[in-house]
Amino acid sequence: DTAVSQTPKYLVTQMGNDKSIKCEQNLGHDTMYWYKQDSKKFLKIMFSYNNKELIINETVPNRFSPKSPDKAHLNLHINSLELGDSAVYFCASSRAGGVNEQFFGPGTRLTVL
Amino acid sequence: ELKVEQNPLFLSMQEGKNYTIYCNYSTTSDRLYWYRQDPGKSLESLFVLLSNGAVKQEGRLMASLDTKARLSTLHITAAVHDLSATYFCAVDPRDDKIIFGKGTRLHILP
Repeated sequence: DTAVSQTPKYLVTQMGNDKSIKCEQNLGHDTMYWYKQDSKKFLKIMFSYNNKELIINETVPNRFSPKSPDKAHLNLHINSLELGDSAVYFCASSRAGGVNEQFFGPGTRLTVL
Repeated sequence: ELKVEQNPLFLSMQEGKNYTIYCNYSTTSDRLYWYRQDPGKSLESLFVLLSNGAVKQEGRLMASLDTKARLSTLHITAAVHDLSATYFCAVDPRDDKIIFGKGTRLHILP
């Protein structure tokens, strides 16, 4: 009965490859997010969706493309992976229109070789 | 743009001591959240502060919010080793994205 789940937990891949990370929440929340946490532990928002609509799209290379098939899922596809994409990617969710306390998934550690 | 500054960024302290982590932010907000992250783990919500003067306590941790000073504090009382973690504050300006501080890496020595 995990609240926010992500797959895979670890992802090791070569430069230039394309990969996807999946996220699902069973909290009934309307808003979902993708964050990137770098090696210094700085947490930076990348995207946010509210009820399948993109509402936040930070300055992120367009190699990163989020997709939300329904409000319980938010996937992240990354094309042409680069060394600098290595990080931990966290998915999170929150209720819309009220307190935006976010509930985080376990993270996906991406290593680009 | 909203800026959130935490200090200190690193803190090493002895068990049994008290200390305070500060979170300053640059624009008006009355919503602030504190999270804890253990090494290699996800972020866990600790406190939700929703108004000026809000104070929340859980065990040895107490968080407060002063919206006029644009300041939140996380106070640790009689620290124990289990509290070693990274603590993040996050400011919610309501009409824009939430911004996280850089985190305070807390190491409590036995």
